[in-house]
Amino acid sequence: QKEVEQNSGPLSVPEGAIASLNCTYSDRGSQSFFWYRQYSGKSPELIMSIYSNGDKEDGRFTAQLNKASQYVSLLIRDSQPSDSATYLCAVNTGNQFYFGTGTSLTVIP
Amino acid sequence: DVKVTQSSRYLVKRTGEKVFLECVQDMDHENMFWYRQDPGLGLRLIYFSYDVKMKEKGDIPEGYSVSREKKERFSLILESASTNQTSMYLCASRGDGETQYFGPGTRLLVL
Repeated sequence: QKEVEQNSGPLSVPEGAIASLNCTYSDRGSQSFFWYRQYSGKSPELIMSIYSNGDKEDGRFTAQLNKASQYVSLLIRDSQPSDSATYLCAVNTGNQFYFGTGTSLTVIP
Repeated sequence: DVKVTQSSRYLVKRTGEKVFLECVQDMDHENMFWYRQDPGLGLRLIYFSYDVKMKEKGDIPEGYSVSREKKERFSLILESASTNQTSMYLCASRGDGETQYFGPGTRLLVL
């Protein structure tokens, strides 16, 4: 079983819609969780980090964490074509980061 | 802003060559990481270092070595490049916080 699992997609949403990206993790002791965005040919850039159960909002992005169910999600409101990218979920377990394989998102104008 | 730089964006090498990939960060971070990223496999950790001259193996260290002589610089070495090492190589650094910051990546092609 992989440490971090994501639906690889591709996920397509129309411009202005809400995009929902999901991630599950296997280690119950994981304490910190991250969402990175990666444009094609570029390196990952951090969008959000979340450490506590519940929601964390930053502009159009909301990260949701449920430790009991071992999942973390990212909602993108009012999706824009510039949001088209691969989104990586990362989980910090001990001293190591584990990354999911990413979900490809396309926002259709 | 954290800045992580890598010595090359694109590199073409021949099988059997020794390859050096360099990474420099300017934020005095203790922790530095080397990953490779391949389609369908995601990011896989090769080696990491939590201090000068310290190194730890990641998930896929075979065929690689690393060097950290100075805090700001972390080098990845392919002792004898092989075609299955063709990949995107990403360096990252992390300070006291938990966020990892990535360099721009090096796309390596081994012929």
